[in-house]
Amino acid sequence: EIVLTQSPGTLSLSPGERATLSCRASQRVNSNFLVWYQQKPGQAPRLLIYGASSRATGIPDRFSGSGSGTEFTLTITRLEPEDFALYYCQQYGSSPLYTFGQGTKLEIK
Amino acid sequence: EVQLVESGGGLVQPGGSLRLSCAASGFTFSSYSMNWVRQVPGKGLEWVSYISSSGSTIYYADSVKGRFTISRDNAEKSLYLLMDSLRAEDTAVYYCAREGYRYDSSYAYYYMDVWGKGTTVTVSS
Repeated sequence: EIVLTQSPGTLSLSPGERATLSCRASQRVNSNFLVWYQQKPGQAPRLLIYGASSRATGIPDRFSGSGSGTEFTLTITRLEPEDFALYYCQQYGSSPLYTFGQGTKLEIK
Repeated sequence: EVQLVESGGGLVQPGGSLRLSCAASGFTFSSYSMNWVRQVPGKGLEWVSYISSSGSTIYYADSVKGRFTISRDNAEKSLYLLMDSLRAEDTAVYYCAREGYRYDSSYAYYYMDVWGKGTTVTVSS
């Protein structure tokens, strides 16, 4: 089973700053199947990035994804107030079919 | 508008059963694989089950295998999750999620691109 470990657990930043969130896999992950979601309190997750680096429809270009193998990164440049939320990485394809990281909370400093 | 709406959650005693439903609208339901994902309040996301567009391929997380049954009715544009032998640790918000896909040249991409708002299942005596 592939385990995804996200770091840091909590990231405290100010609006306008740059956020860098990490997702590390216990085994190599096919980049095509690495996904990032955003979740706000009381809401369902929202697709941000698929294929490690492709933005989903309607996602602002301040969100970008990168990485390969076992190391993946979600970067948010110039944080907006609405970006403070929980972020999850996910991989598809290995048993279990989908695995999520434990999440990174991005909070306002 | 593309939409998924879950229903059927509630309070059930340990060992009991519950059937969740997910009604789809705004897209061709029969063309998409579907998933159930759950989230214990204040905790992370856990994938529960997958069903292919035709219903011919099904997968479960080990934590629910043998107790939960996923199914779909493409004519009714609905997804279901029958949950038996429920345990306290099954308490969570249950989301249905569409498996989106994109193909280009020789690559395929899979992700969950449409989510319902969730329905809450509480297992307690």
